[in-house]
Amino acid sequence: QVQLVESGGGVVQPGGSLRLSCAASGFTFSSYGMHWVRQAPGKGLEWVAFIRYDGSNKYYADSVKGRFTISRDNSKNTLYLQMNSLRAEDTAVYYCAKDQGGGYVDYWGQGTLVTVSS
Amino acid sequence: SYELTQPPSVSVSPGQTARITCSGDALPKKYAYWYQQKSGQAPVLVIYEDSKRPSGIPERFSGSSSGTMATLTISGAQVEDEADYYCYSTDSSGRGVFGGGTKLTVL
Repeated sequence: QVQLVESGGGVVQPGGSLRLSCAASGFTFSSYGMHWVRQAPGKGLEWVAFIRYDGSNKYYADSVKGRFTISRDNSKNTLYLQMNSLRAEDTAVYYCAKDQGGGYVDYWGQGTLVTVSS
Repeated sequence: SYELTQPPSVSVSPGQTARITCSGDALPKKYAYWYQQKSGQAPVLVIYEDSKRPSGIPERFSGSSSGTMATLTISGAQVEDEADYYCYSTDSSGRGVFGGGTKLTVL
């Protein structure tokens, strides 16, 4: 069965950096695009970024473009999100999610909480 | 930037039909998807490509799309369907967009 396990969340000061990881199993990781989606406390879902199966193309929400970088290591079945210049409004649960192949998510991880606070 | 608009809340009695709408200018050309999120849990896909139901999703969940509006219908809503529902689509650049979410109350 598909499993996505996020790690790397925590508390960071404004302006700081954090790298999230997502370990994938139960499917051929190198054949599928992957997303990051976040949810601020008490708020709705916000799509953050997408990377194609081979890493050739990456897409970002305007709110994170230039600050966040999505990447993947297909040899390690791992997805990453490098977050720089963090702001209070980046505080959220960050979900790693598998793309079905048509640009939408079919499986989600359980999320990792990122808190940006001084 | 592209937006999908949903009503903040919908309320029905058990056994009634709940309809949740999602409007967006690109929906005539882009598929809509629907996710259910119960409190404290990760979202679950309930409808894909406007009207298709993943395996394991009850038949009372259905979807449709016409023009700039997609609709999630829950026929005979049950108490366990109480959750937040989000529509999702993509913009012309291929970036994902979620609607603001609709809280469904069944009581």
